[in-house]
Order: sequence, then structure tokens, then C-alpha cells
Amino acid sequence: GNSVTQMEGPVTLSEEAFLTINCTYTATGYPSLFWYVQYPGEGLQLLLKATKADDKGSNKGFEATYRKETTSFHLEKGSVQVSDSAVYFCALSGYNQGGKLIFGQGTELSVKP
Amino acid sequence: GAGVSQSPSNKVTEKGKDVELRCDPISGHTALYWYRQSLGQGLEFLIYFQGNSAPDKSGLPSDRFSAERTGGSVSTLTIQRTQQEDSAVYLCASSLEHSSYEQYFGPGTRLTVT
Repeated sequence: GNSVTQMEGPVTLSEEAFLTINCTYTATGYPSLFWYVQYPGEGLQLLLKATKADDKGSNKGFEATYRKETTSFHLEKGSVQVSDSAVYFCALSGYNQGGKLIFGQGTELSVKP
Repeated sequence: GAGVSQSPSNKVTEKGKDVELRCDPISGHTALYWYRQSLGQGLEFLIYFQGNSAPDKSGLPSDRFSAERTGGSVSTLTIQRTQQEDSAVYLCASSLEHSSYEQYFGPGTRLTVT
């Protein structure tokens, strides 16, 4: 089957700390992988994506690399800001998933000044 | 350009009443999706439309839920005889085409059934 597993939250960090949010997946075929972010009171925004193995997606200082051998797509940022406080969702989609997004459970990040 | 819009942003209804939720996708996007976000279930796929093809309704939780898309643009999700377990945020997303897999979401409609 298809599923996405994220590390449990909430994650609390101090400003300028290094961030890693783990994401692993199980999927048939060769899906694209995504990170979406949901800021308080807002809808989901696409943060970054990778469409094939070894691709690195990046945006706003965040990065994630599509690792087929470990079925992972961990999100990283070198120096977080208070404004990064949000819920982060890892997701996959592709032909074998009928184009539907399959989401992880979300990881809440809180960054303190 | 304009993003995906949804209305209303909040809806409070009494158990047993019917509700309609509206989604306006990004202009030119041929694929439209509905998802539900609830505390217990996370983000769940409900239904998607692609052009003039028959919709994929495989995620609808019961026959009280239905959706239509008129003229290949605006979509309405209807929940009949609402139950308390229907309380959730209903999210609409669109993509340029179904095979692009990259979806853009609206702000959602928060439905509360009392």
C-alpha cells in the first residue's frame, strides 16, 4: 500500500537552530514527493518537491532529498526563524496513487526567540 | 494570479441539516480535488475531477457526501444530513493537469456540526 510516516511532534527549537523533520514512505511505483507547510490559520502551501530519486527540492532555506534506497524524504533547514513555526506535512503522489496526495500525519514546529 | 478560493470560510450547522461548500480553482487548472482535515484522521482524500472524465469518488466516506463540478471550473461539495463526525476543515486543491501531481490548496472551509 501507500503511506507516509513523519516524526512525532511537536518539535520545539530555538531561533537559528538546525531543523530535521524525518519522513519515510511506502509506495508502489515511482511517486513524486512533497513537503507542504500550514501556517497558523492558513491553508496548505507547497514548500518543495522532488520528482525522482536523488532529486533535491529546496525553497526558503529548506531542503529535502528523495532517497529511494532508504525510502525517505527528510526536511532540513540550517537556521530556523520564529516565522518558520507551522505544521509541516510530507506527502507523495503519482500515477500508482491515482494522482491523489497521500499525507503524513504532520509535524508541528515551534521556534522560540 | 488568484489562487484557489473557498467559501464560506466558516460554517456552523445543526446536526441533520444539509451544507454546500464551494471551491473556485486556479484559472486554467483542469484537475480539482477535495480533501478533509480532521484531528482524528489527518488529511484524507475525498474526490477529484479531471476535465470531462468521470470523477474519482473513492474517498467519499458515505453516500451523504457528493460533489459536482460545473463547466470544468467551480465545484460544490454537498453533505446531506450532517453528523457531528463531519466536523472538519474541508480543503480544495487544483492542479494544472492531473498528471502533474503538484496541487495548490485553498484556505479551507471549517465546518462545525452542533
